[in-house]
Amino acid sequence: DTAVSQTPKYLVTQMGNDKSIKCEQNLGHDTMYWYKQDSKKFLKIMFSYNNKELIINETVPNRFSPKSPDKAHLNLHINSLELGDSAVYFCASSPAGEKLFFGSGTQLSVL
Amino acid sequence: GQNIDQPTEMTATEGAIVQINCTYQTSGFNGLFWYQQHAGEAPTFLSYNVLDGLEEKGRFSSFLSRSKGYSYLLLKELQMKDSASYLCAVANQAGTALIFGKGTTLSVSS
Repeated sequence: DTAVSQTPKYLVTQMGNDKSIKCEQNLGHDTMYWYKQDSKKFLKIMFSYNNKELIINETVPNRFSPKSPDKAHLNLHINSLELGDSAVYFCASSPAGEKLFFGSGTQLSVL
Repeated sequence: GQNIDQPTEMTATEGAIVQINCTYQTSGFNGLFWYQQHAGEAPTFLSYNVLDGLEEKGRFSSFLSRSKGYSYLLLKELQMKDSASYLCAVANQAGTALIFGKGTTLSVSS
């Protein structure tokens, strides 16, 4: 029944490591997103994909590489993790121009 | 550029009415959304305005004035469970993303 599911829910890792977060939606939406929510709860767009094509890349370091194998999946790979990458990462999907449905979030802690 | 402003924190008591304001200056506009986010959870959709005026949905209402770049979320008959962050977000012109404000943390006390 889960509409937007992302894994893992928690990710604790050391600086310099590489990690991935997976996201899948079963709503049939064309557009998927990655948002980052920092410790002050500010939710900031990172990437937006429409039908597997990247349409927004909001000045995110190139250590972050999204991959969309099909329109139901949008994964996020992060290389050489830094302390400042610690945050909650939310995947979301929507029909174009309509409300977003969010996944439950991935709490990333870089030590 | 994009700028979305809302108060950082508000407090209110059970049963009261509270209005959370949001002002925006964005390079494009394709609608304004309000989301609710409880601590440790994902944001959930509350309301959407694309035309001027008031949209009412149960205890929650949202208002939009496009000429003033202004919206508010009105919560009536407050309950303890309404303690949460309320996020104002503007859809960009292309409809390809929502740009969020920094959120208003509402604390409801008995």
